[in-house]
Amino acid sequence: DAGVIQSPRHEVTEMGQEVTLRCKPISGHNSLFWYRQTMMRGLELLIYFNNNVPIDDSGMPEDRFSAKMPNASFSTLKIQPSEPRDSAVYFCASSLWQNNQPQHFGDGTRLSIL
Amino acid sequence: AQSVTQPDIHITVSEGASLELRCNYSYGATPYLFWYVQSPGQGLQLLLKYFSGDTLVQGIKGFEAEFKRSQSSFNLRKPSVHWSDAAEYFCAVGAPGAQKLVFGQGTRLTINP
Repeated sequence: DAGVIQSPRHEVTEMGQEVTLRCKPISGHNSLFWYRQTMMRGLELLIYFNNNVPIDDSGMPEDRFSAKMPNASFSTLKIQPSEPRDSAVYFCASSLWQNNQPQHFGDGTRLSIL
Repeated sequence: AQSVTQPDIHITVSEGASLELRCNYSYGATPYLFWYVQSPGQGLQLLLKYFSGDTLVQGIKGFEAEFKRSQSSFNLRKPSVHWSDAAEYFCAVGAPGAQKLVFGQGTRLTINP
């Protein structure tokens, strides 16, 4: 069975550029989560969706970050404009929205902003 | 609000030795508890979970964890570690019925040959 698929696996870009990270959740899952992992702050929840609707975006650092889920099988996290402090590993996870079913993580996108 | 503390940032054990990784949580009621493992360059993989019932839960790869309400702890154990267990381990807590998880800072496990 295919797990959560994230692309790209690595992204290196210059500050000021727009960055788009992509996620395909596990088929049948109806909750999707975006996390950011850094050495300093650990694993932080940025935003999560239930049935394609954003439920909690309180973790989104600032207006430069936006996330969308146009359908059940695709989500994007966009940073515009990007800054060096956005460098991190970004994970997408999905789960069934039912009694705290465990979240399944993708392998992440390692983002470096120069 | 929930919180999780993993007191040990880095632990080193010898191959074949026993292992215990500590996790303390803060939550007003009985939480849902999880342990995840992250190998280098990969995402987090679920090891085990506790929702209710038997306080000793078994997971994959020979791991187990025990929920102790009186100590607000959910420590992860393995009787004999293998070199392949070297990874980062995360404890997480969630409120029943809620989707959000709060993760600890992680414990990095190194295995000496």
